[in-house]
Amino acid sequence: GESVGLHLPTLSVQEGDNSIINCAYSNSASDYFIWYKQESGKGPQFIIDIRSNMDKRQGQRVTVLLNKTVKHLSLQIAATQPGDSAVYFCAAQETSGSRLTFGEGTQLTVNP
Amino acid sequence: DAMVIQNPRYQVTQFGKPVTLSCSQTLNHNVMYWYQQKSSQAPKLLFHYYDKDFNNEADTPDNFQSRRPNTSFCFLDIRSPGLGDAAMYLCATSRVVGTQYFGPGTRLTVL
Repeated sequence: GESVGLHLPTLSVQEGDNSIINCAYSNSASDYFIWYKQESGKGPQFIIDIRSNMDKRQGQRVTVLLNKTVKHLSLQIAATQPGDSAVYFCAAQETSGSRLTFGEGTQLTVNP
Repeated sequence: DAMVIQNPRYQVTQFGKPVTLSCSQTLNHNVMYWYQQKSSQAPKLLFHYYDKDFNNEADTPDNFQSRRPNTSFCFLDIRSPGLGDAAMYLCATSRVVGTQYFGPGTRLTVL
């Protein structure tokens, strides 16, 4: 079955630095990947997604990289701000179904 | 504008006293999901509806049930809440395949 995991449970960065959050997945049938940001006491918020026919996608200050060969994706946040402090989850989905498999979550702390 | 709305945001109930959480959506999505989330763990899928078709996860306790009277609304019923059911309950919606959009969650406390 699918498992999705994050390499680090916590990440602490200085304001203004770039952050990189990593995620590994096991199911080669996964073809759609999402990053969510969850602030304390709130629901997960969609950040960015990527399909398996792409290896990079950019948003505003965020970039997702997908390496299908090693089943790895990462979320890069440029010029990290205190408002970026949250738990970040990656999630994977197969084309054949709507179920998401979530990773464990990484707590990002941005120090002023 | 809120797209997935959950009420109430905070719910306190007594051990064994039934409770109902509600979710509504303005996205007209086919699929609605209920998740349970404890501490900073990943959300755990309880069940989902594809239109009116109910799909229960194998490990969801019988204590948890759901109703979807129409496209916009979905309810989570906890028949006899135990202390272990204290958690954040998240509702999400999606098209058949694609991004799931989450509501703000309902924090359930069981006394």
